[in-house]
Amino acid sequence: AQSVTQLGSHVSVSEGALVLLRCNYSSSVPPYLFWYVQYPNQGLQLLLKYTSAATLVKGINGFEAEFKKSETSFHLTKPSAHMSDAAEYFCAVNNAGGTSYGKLTFGQGTILTVHP
Amino acid sequence: DAGVTQSPTHLIKTRGQQVTLRCSPKSGHDTVSWYQQALGQGPQFIFQYYEEEERQRGNFPDRFSGHQFPNYSSELNVNALLLGDSALYLCASRLAVSYEQYFGPGTRLTVT
Repeated sequence: AQSVTQLGSHVSVSEGALVLLRCNYSSSVPPYLFWYVQYPNQGLQLLLKYTSAATLVKGINGFEAEFKKSETSFHLTKPSAHMSDAAEYFCAVNNAGGTSYGKLTFGQGTILTVHP
Repeated sequence: DAGVTQSPTHLIKTRGQQVTLRCSPKSGHDTVSWYQQALGQGPQFIFQYYEEEERQRGNFPDRFSGHQFPNYSSELNVNALLLGDSALYLCASRLAVSYEQYFGPGTRLTVT
């Protein structure tokens, strides 16, 4: 079984400040991990992915995430927030193989607000 | 290169009715998954289709059914609609050999 916990349903930062969105996962087999962003009334856009290569993953729009197996975490960061980063962010896990291949399990989401 | 497309964009139905949602995968993709996203929650996996067969299914009742056509497009059918079926329904496509899924814009279903 696999699960995802996103700590903090709402995160608020000032423009230019560090963005940190937390994600912890549970998986019985090596996971593939993803961060998606969802703007209002839109679908999901892939920000970045971890697939057992480098543990520090860089994505689009200046975001990056670090896979820490010992902490079962995959936190999303961005050094300097922009107003355009305001959206909802979802962490997701997919087992790397096995019978649930292709089935994404999502966290509850974190709404990021960026203040001027 | 067209991405994943879904139709209709919005839909309003009455309890007990049936609904069909449609999805065209990204060009070159052969596997389609459907997700339900209730308001304020993360998407929940409904099922996945490959080679015109349901390959995996999430914890959804049999009222939810689907189909995949030879051109890889897919339909999601929901019978005997309940108020709780109101949600954004997302379609995602990928290549069977890939883990990377691309999502469509979704269909907003409202059941009254």
